[in-house]
Amino acid sequence: DSGVTQTPKHLITATGQRVTLRCSPRSGDLSVYWYQQSLDQGLQFLIQYYNGEERAKGNILERFSAQQFPDLHSELNLSSLELGDSALYFCASSGGALGVEGHEQYFGPGTRLTVT
Amino acid sequence: SQKIEQNSEALNIQEGKTATLTCNYTNYSPAYLQWYRQDPGRGPVFLLLIRENEKEKRKERLKVTFDTTLKQSLFHITASQPADSATYLCALQAGTALIFGKGTTLSVSS
Repeated sequence: DSGVTQTPKHLITATGQRVTLRCSPRSGDLSVYWYQQSLDQGLQFLIQYYNGEERAKGNILERFSAQQFPDLHSELNLSSLELGDSALYFCASSGGALGVEGHEQYFGPGTRLTVT
Repeated sequence: SQKIEQNSEALNIQEGKTATLTCNYTNYSPAYLQWYRQDPGRGPVFLLLIRENEKEKRKERLKVTFDTTLKQSLFHITASQPADSATYLCALQAGTALIFGKGTTLSVSS
């Protein structure tokens, strides 16, 4: 158990809909990262937050947004869903934010999103 | 453009042998590199981190090397066991984030 929790575990929704995925980091971790994993693309970095502020952005679509709240939990909002958004979405946390410090990341169990 | 390649999608070896997985990268100058293990349907699990000024890092049966001149990392599992069967991901530091390779799936047969 990594200490990172994600809800829900599974989500099935229709095209055009909006969903919210939730993540609680390990106790004491200030950084939260979101990743998308599909069979053909591998693990794709979406966005990072550190202590409530956006720190880095990867291949995140404009239809997707995220935020980190004062209690450090984070939410990933996916809107105008398309079939291609079906994937596993992982949240990870780490103790730091600076790249040069090399903090390992602890991953949650993921949310499997199916768009029909 | 930046690219991370893990040598093969699948590697099959016999129990007791040493598994060697390769991670090559281009157009990066990472300060560190990490290796993770991922089992089907589960989140990646951190294994080892190696910094650019370290040539080699060991942890139990695992060994990682990092050659910044060749832009390559090698990940070794010695005395492999069926329980080592999983997908192994290499990840490079890019700013404050990690960029992952697509992984190599290792199968260890008894």
